Amino acid sequence: DTEVTQTPKHLVMGMTNKKSLKCEQHMGHRAMYWYKQKAKKPPELMFVYSYEKLSINESVPSRFSPECPNSSLLNLHLHALQPEDSALYLCASSHAGLGSNQPQHFGDGTRLSIL
Amino acid sequence: TQLLEQSPQFLSIQEGENLTVYCNSSSVFSSLQWYRQEPGEGPVLLVTVVTGGEVKKLKRLTFQFGDARKDSSLHITAAQPGDTGLYLCAGFSGAGSYQLTFGKGTKLSVIP
Repeated sequence: DTEVTQTPKHLVMGMTNKKSLKCEQHMGHRAMYWYKQKAKKPPELMFVYSYEKLSINESVPSRFSPECPNSSLLNLHLHALQPEDSALYLCASSHAGLGSNQPQHFGDGTRLSIL
Repeated sequence: TQLLEQSPQFLSIQEGENLTVYCNSSSVFSSLQWYRQEPGEGPVLLVTVVTGGEVKKLKRLTFQFGDARKDSSLHITAAQPGDTGLYLCAGFSGAGSYQLTFGKGTKLSVIP
């Protein structure tokens, strides 16, 4: 069982919808990450939060909007997505802040399909 | 760009056989992680290696970090169907690095 919990597990949405992905961890980790993973590819980094502040945005389109309400929660707000955004969205966390080289622990992901 | 080359890309073996997966780079990594990912799930952390020459064992899995910290290997003894999955190596290229560089993965199928 993963200690990083993501909801929902599956999400189907139209291109005009607004939805949010949620991630929660209670390990006291201070860095949290969003990754996008396409089929048969490794995960690609999207955002990094360190001590609840957005530290890294890997040139992600503005239709993806991250939010970190507190040290345990991470959200990804979605709006006006495109079919090519269909993928597995993974949340991860690590013990210390950005640049600490601590191993990352992943959730099971949200399988997102854009119609 | 730091690259991690994994080989083989695909591996299909019979239950009970041994296998080795390789993760190589021309760059030095301060630490390297191995993950296993099953379809529809997130990567599960198996091990982290940080010291050149380090060997770690996890039941039938043996992980080794190269002396120069540029390569790593995963050896599985007496593979079982439950070992089936995508094995990913990933590493940090240096102190202060935030970017976890992933290899492309090795898809392992263990046939009963």
